Amino acid sequence: GAVVSQHPSRVICKSGTSVKIECRSLDFQATTMFWYRQFPKQSLMLMATSNEGSKATYEQGVEKDKFLINHASLTLSTLTVTSAHPEDSSFYICSAGEGGGVYNEQFFGPGTRLTVL
Amino acid sequence: AQSVTQLGSHVSVSEGALVLLRCNYSSSVPPYLFWYVQYPNQGLQLLLKYTTGATLVKGINGFEAEFKKSETSFHLTKPSAHMSDAAEYFCAVSEVMKTSYDKVIFGPGTSLSVIP
Repeated sequence: GAVVSQHPSRVICKSGTSVKIECRSLDFQATTMFWYRQFPKQSLMLMATSNEGSKATYEQGVEKDKFLINHASLTLSTLTVTSAHPEDSSFYICSAGEGGGVYNEQFFGPGTRLTVL
Repeated sequence: AQSVTQLGSHVSVSEGALVLLRCNYSSSVPPYLFWYVQYPNQGLQLLLKYTTGATLVKGINGFEAEFKKSETSFHLTKPSAHMSDAAEYFCAVSEVMKTSYDKVIFGPGTSLSVIP
């Protein structure tokens, strides 16, 4: 099946710094990528949807200036958490879809554990 | 808007016993339905999905689920639990967007424990 990778798998940073998380589709072109956030013992919350070459669509309540998303190519999307604070500590998961047609299966990355001190 | 509920945040079964994880959804249009499994500190793995056609869907690791439109349900079952089935299970529904990519809405999850 299609493979999605994320880098880094785990990151610890100081409060006030910015952190970039990469999401790559390894063996397919992803026209659409999704970013999720998961708090401990909770479900995945969709943060934003990005299409290659266009601006991301953010879900209600998600600060677009706080969570910058770039989808510059068909195989790479990045999420930058700007001026991170302890409350941003979470598990971030991306998924990618191949696009085309009404139904597009999403393939999930392994996640990135962010800890802000 | 579509939504997903999962009855029971935690389910415990004995090894070899039947696994039943419940999922109900709300949708104004025919949904696409999914079950995902998540092991600790890992991403999600697709167990099975329903899009169209046969309402009984078979997935990996011996799991299956049945789409029942009249009950708006998509319960996940496995005849005999194995220790390796202990994980978090998420039911999800796909919302077809006008822009032709699908937004997936996840249920709250059910943690499955398997007792030896």
